[in-house]
Amino acid sequence: ELKVEQNPLFLSMQEGKNYTIYCNYSTTSDRLYWYRQDPGKSLESLFVLLSNGAVKQEGRLMASLDTKARLSTLHITAAVHDLSATYFCAVVNAGNMLTFGGGTRLMVKP
Amino acid sequence: EPEVTQTPSHQVTQMGQEVILRCVPISNHLYFYWYRQILGQKVEFLVSFYNNEISEKSEIFDDQFSVERPDGSNFTLKIRSTKLEDSAMYFCASSEGLAGTYEQYFGPGTRLTVT
Repeated sequence: ELKVEQNPLFLSMQEGKNYTIYCNYSTTSDRLYWYRQDPGKSLESLFVLLSNGAVKQEGRLMASLDTKARLSTLHITAAVHDLSATYFCAVVNAGNMLTFGGGTRLMVKP
Repeated sequence: EPEVTQTPSHQVTQMGQEVILRCVPISNHLYFYWYRQILGQKVEFLVSFYNNEISEKSEIFDDQFSVERPDGSNFTLKIRSTKLEDSAMYFCASSEGLAGTYEQYFGPGTRLTVT
């Protein structure tokens, strides 16, 4: 059974600081997604990582994937308040079913 | 830009009642999914649907649940006899295909409250 674990579950940080969210998964997968969710809202796709060593960047967020270590990271650079949200990683198993991590609730304080 | 839509946005029902949640996937997509998220928890897969049949389902998707594509555009999730623990946000998603970069696009969700 595929298990996906994120840490930390909660992250409070100051504006301007850098931090990394980690996503570990238990079995081989060829695709990993990062989603953002604002309170009461749906899931917004941030990144799709398809291969070992994949790195994608959008604004202050950068995601990477190490399939050998079964680890993905979401790095936040110079955080701003608008990044406050819950971030989920999700791993695809056979059949395109997504297994989500527990989420990281990010609060960026001015 | 095409998007997945869901109705209603909020449904309140009494325990034991049947509910039907509706979704309109993106028009050229072939794979459809339901997920749920209990308040404050992670998103959980319920079921996937392709070619008018269920392709995968989770342990949560028991006999109380069913899915249907009644016409060319709608995709529905029915809960036959709701329980308190069915209260959650239900997300519909669709994708063009299985392999490669075929992302799942999520709808805005239906918040189901069972009283």
